[in-house]
Amino acid sequence: GQQLNQSPQSMFIQEGEDVSMNCTSSSIFNTWLWYKQDPGEGPVLLIALYKAGELTSNGRLTAQFGITRKDSFLNISASIPSDVGIYFCAGRGSQGNLIFGKGTKLSVKP
Amino acid sequence: EAEVAQSPRYKITEKSQAVAFWCDPISGHATLYWYRQILGQGPELLVQFQDESVVDDSQLPKDRFSAERLKGVDSTLKIQPAELGDSAMYLCASSPGQVITGELFFGEGSRLTVL
Repeated sequence: GQQLNQSPQSMFIQEGEDVSMNCTSSSIFNTWLWYKQDPGEGPVLLIALYKAGELTSNGRLTAQFGITRKDSFLNISASIPSDVGIYFCAGRGSQGNLIFGKGTKLSVKP
Repeated sequence: EAEVAQSPRYKITEKSQAVAFWCDPISGHATLYWYRQILGQGPELLVQFQDESVVDDSQLPKDRFSAERLKGVDSTLKIQPAELGDSAMYLCASSPGQVITGELFFGEGSRLTVL
């Protein structure tokens, strides 16, 4: 079946640093979504991407839909303590189902 | 701001007991999803409704899990009997309209612990 490989699994960064994470698949997706999940809460949508090559920003967050439609990346600029959490990518395939990656756990050193 | 409401937030039960989770989607959202999230993993779809109809329940363990959305608004997910491996976060999500855009809005989830 379709799977998403999300990397890195976890990362520690210094406050103020930029962060980059990505999601890859052997399958083509029509939509890429990025979510953030805080402990004990449901995922919150950060950015949605609908076209190959699309680059979209939401404040300090920037995400891109890969040209091959098999990957996407998320960048966070000038990280702050509240960026801590787990970031999930999700792709919607041709069957309409939404598949989630396993997440990137972000921890920020104060 | 409109939210997806779920209850209970936390449920502890013994194996072989029955449990039920409730979800009220954002008003007007036609599509409703139930996801299961095991600790350390991403959410996995259990069932998807379009109004009151099941669109996809291929990953729902139908021998013990059931879901309904009788009036096309709120929904209930039931597990009977619960097993140890059912311990997880059960997330409800909704999306607007008939066309699936991919923008799912999640509730806070119901954390199930089976002892």
